Formats: sequence, structure tokens, C-alpha cells
Amino acid sequence: EIVLTQSPGTLSLSPGERTTLSCRASQSVTSSYLAWYQQKPGQAPRLLIYGASSRATGIPDRFSGSGSGTDFTLTISRLEPEDFAVYYCQQYGSSPWTFGQGTKVEIK
Amino acid sequence: QVQLVESGGGLVKPGGSLRLSCAASGFTFSDYYMSWIRQAPGKGLEWVSYIGFSDSNKYYTDSVKGRFTISRDNAKNSLYLQMNSLRAEDTAVYYCARDGAPYYSSGWPNYWGQGTLVTVSS
Repeated sequence: EIVLTQSPGTLSLSPGERTTLSCRASQSVTSSYLAWYQQKPGQAPRLLIYGASSRATGIPDRFSGSGSGTDFTLTISRLEPEDFAVYYCQQYGSSPWTFGQGTKVEIK
Repeated sequence: QVQLVESGGGLVKPGGSLRLSCAASGFTFSDYYMSWIRQAPGKGLEWVSYIGFSDSNKYYTDSVKGRFTISRDNAKNSLYLQMNSLRAEDTAVYYCARDGAPYYSSGWPNYWGQGTLVTVSS
């Protein structure tokens, strides 16, 4: 099973700032089959990125994903008030598909 | 628009059973892999099970194998999860989710229901 470790656990930031979230896999993720989700309290997760770098439909271009192998990042170029949430990475290259433990982006 | 509406959650005693349902609309249900993904209170996400276009291709996470059964009725646009021998550690919000692309297993769900809470407690 591929274990995904996200860092940091919590980020305290201000609106307008740029941030990078990290997701490290315990072994190489096949074909960059990695996705990112955003989850707000009381809501279902929302797909942001798939294939490591492809934005899902309707996702603003301030969200971008990159990486390959074992190291992946999600970058938010300029935080908007609605971006404060928990972010999860997920790999789907190897069964069982697994999620990271999440990074919380909170308002400073 | 795509809608996924789960139902069937509730409070059940350890060892009991529940059947979750997910009613799908707004897309051709039979063209998509479907999944159940759960989230324990205050915790992260865990893929529980997925099913292919028919009953022939199914996956279960190890902790539910032999206890949970996923199924679908394409005529009714519905997904199900039969949960038997429930344990306290099965307590979670269970989400129904649709795969991101039709005709194959994409692995990245892009539509999720609102979730249904299953609480296993005596």
C-alpha cells in the first residue's frame, strides 16, 4: 500500500498569500496518478486536480499541481477567503487507492 | 446537473447491519465506475469500495472484505452498500462518488454526494 504523507499539517496564512502544499509518497506513484481535493467543514470533498497537474472543470487557475514519482505539490497562487479549508492528496496508480492525512489551511 | 443522494445511514449496534443507497441523476449512470468513500469523525478519507459498470468488477479495502458488499442497479440509477457485522471502527460519514471519466476506471471521483452518517455503538 502506498502511504501518502502531507506536510505541513497546518498552515496559517493571510488572504492574498501564495502557498505550496506537499504530498510525499512512500513509493513511486504510477504515471503521476495523483489527485488533490479540497474539503470545507460539513461538506463533501471537491476535486481540484487529477493526473498531478490537470485542473478539474470549474477550478480557478490560481490552483496548480505539479510533481512526479514520489513528490507532488499543490500551489495556490493567491489565497482567496473561500480557499481556507483542508486539502487532501490521493493516489490512484496502485491498489488500494489511498489518501494523505490532509493539510489544513487556516486564516492567520 | 449531476446529483448523488445517499440514504440509509443511522445508529446500529455492533454486529448489526445497514444498507446504504445512493440515488444518481443527471448523467448516464451505467457509463461510470462508482465508489463508496468514508470519513470517520474528525479524520481523513478512506476508500471503502468501488464497482465497475456491472457487478463484475469490484474492489474492497481489506478492513471491510467479507463484511461489506457493493452493488448497483443500472435500471434504477442506484448504488448500494450492504454492511454486515458492523464494528465501532466503521463509524463514519459514507460518501457515494462518481468517477471522473466514463467508460473506464479513472480513479479520481469528481462528483460526491453529501454523505450519510453511520454510527456503530451499543
